[in-house]
Amino acid sequence: GAGVSQSPRYKVAKRGQDVALRCDPISGHVSLFWYQQALGQGPEFLTYFQNEAQLDKSGLPSDRFFAERPEGSVSTLKIQRTQQEDSAVYLCASSFRGDRYGYTFGSGTRLTVV
Amino acid sequence: GDSVTQMEGPVTLSEEAFLTINCTYTATGYPSLFWYVQYPGEGLQLLLKATKADDKGSNKGFEATYRKETTSFHLEKGSVQVSDSAVYFCALILYNFNKFYFGSGTKLNVKP
Repeated sequence: GAGVSQSPRYKVAKRGQDVALRCDPISGHVSLFWYQQALGQGPEFLTYFQNEAQLDKSGLPSDRFFAERPEGSVSTLKIQRTQQEDSAVYLCASSFRGDRYGYTFGSGTRLTVV
Repeated sequence: GDSVTQMEGPVTLSEEAFLTINCTYTATGYPSLFWYVQYPGEGLQLLLKATKADDKGSNKGFEATYRKETTSFHLEKGSVQVSDSAVYFCALILYNFNKFYFGSGTKLNVKP
């Protein structure tokens, strides 16, 4: 597609439930990023992939968060045993070869943990 | 550590007013600087960028100049429109390109 696609658009999870958020980057984009945006805040870095390799996961807040990109295209962010503090918008972005001028963001998945 | 600080909002202006949103940064090294805009229900869109000191980024009437001496990248527009109402984020990225640092965002409301 023409842009970065994220699904679902909205997700309501009960506390303790596992969730999986999907990101379809722009075709051919090597670099993929996940960010977490809490209400009223700027996005915060979670993790970065180059192709299938996860090169930086320093922003993942706990071991309940796990991201993968097994074939170097679609990526999934998984959150286990969700907590209320996980409620946020999760943004995915991709770029061609880490081109700092060409990052494209998706519309995000809004996760609400109740 | 690396960070971005931008003025708190909301900023409320009348149509055709002059806009300034302040942004300052702290960075280890020489960052590239960006302004992103987020319209309700949408993702972040790149508004403008500057990659080195004294560069001026511009787009859709918005401008920002990379000031190394004051570590600033203030966003300006001479005459805002109602359609400019959105949240604006200042951001930096370091030379290794793999992590943006965003400010907390400034909401702009433009009234007719």
